[in-house]
Amino acid sequence: EIVLTQSPTTMAASPGEKVTLTCRASSSVSYMHWYQQRSGTSPKLWIYETSKLASGVPNRFSGSGSGTSYSLTINSMETEDAATYYCQQGSSYPWTFGGGTKLELK
Amino acid sequence: EIQLQESGPGLVKPSQSLSLTCSVTGYTITSGYDWSWIRKFPGNKMEWMGYISYSGSTNYNPSLKSRISITRDTSKNQFFLQLNSVTTEDTATYYCARSRYYYDGYYHVGWFAYWGQGTLVTVSS
Repeated sequence: EIVLTQSPTTMAASPGEKVTLTCRASSSVSYMHWYQQRSGTSPKLWIYETSKLASGVPNRFSGSGSGTSYSLTINSMETEDAATYYCQQGSSYPWTFGGGTKLELK
Repeated sequence: EIQLQESGPGLVKPSQSLSLTCSVTGYTITSGYDWSWIRKFPGNKMEWMGYISYSGSTNYNPSLKSRISITRDTSKNQFFLQLNSVTTEDTATYYCARSRYYYDGYYHVGWFAYWGQGTLVTVSS
């Protein structure tokens, strides 16, 4: 099973600040996917195939990486971006998720 | 627009079976894709449990293989989760989701494109 480790576990960012979340895999994966989950709602696909934005995702978000190291970047933090973000690999069964990064507004 | 909706008991006793239904609207489950169950434990850990494909084949997480069954009723456009011999460690929010998967000859690629709203199941006596 591929283990995904996200860092940091929790962080706070000010409006306008650049934010980078990291996901590391225990073995190489072909792509990484990201989900946003706001409090009280279900996860939403946010970024797929490492760098493609899901429908409706603002272009201040971007994704990058390869092999065992991937990241999600917010170019300029906004209030609505406060949420928990999960990475997920679908390269090898069982598909697995990272433990999440809780992003708060400072 | 595709929508998924989970339903089922919110409280299950230890050693009993957990049974949930996912009702799908806006897409016919036999037309394509894989249909998954995912759970999120208290403390945020998420686990893919398994799927039933549009053709009816299944694939389960090895950690659950002896306890899980995913079936479907194509006439109602629903699929189901049964988890046997539950313990308090099965307390979680359960989601159904539509997977997107492909193999391009080099890479296996899969993710969850659409999710239900989730249902909390508590295992307690």
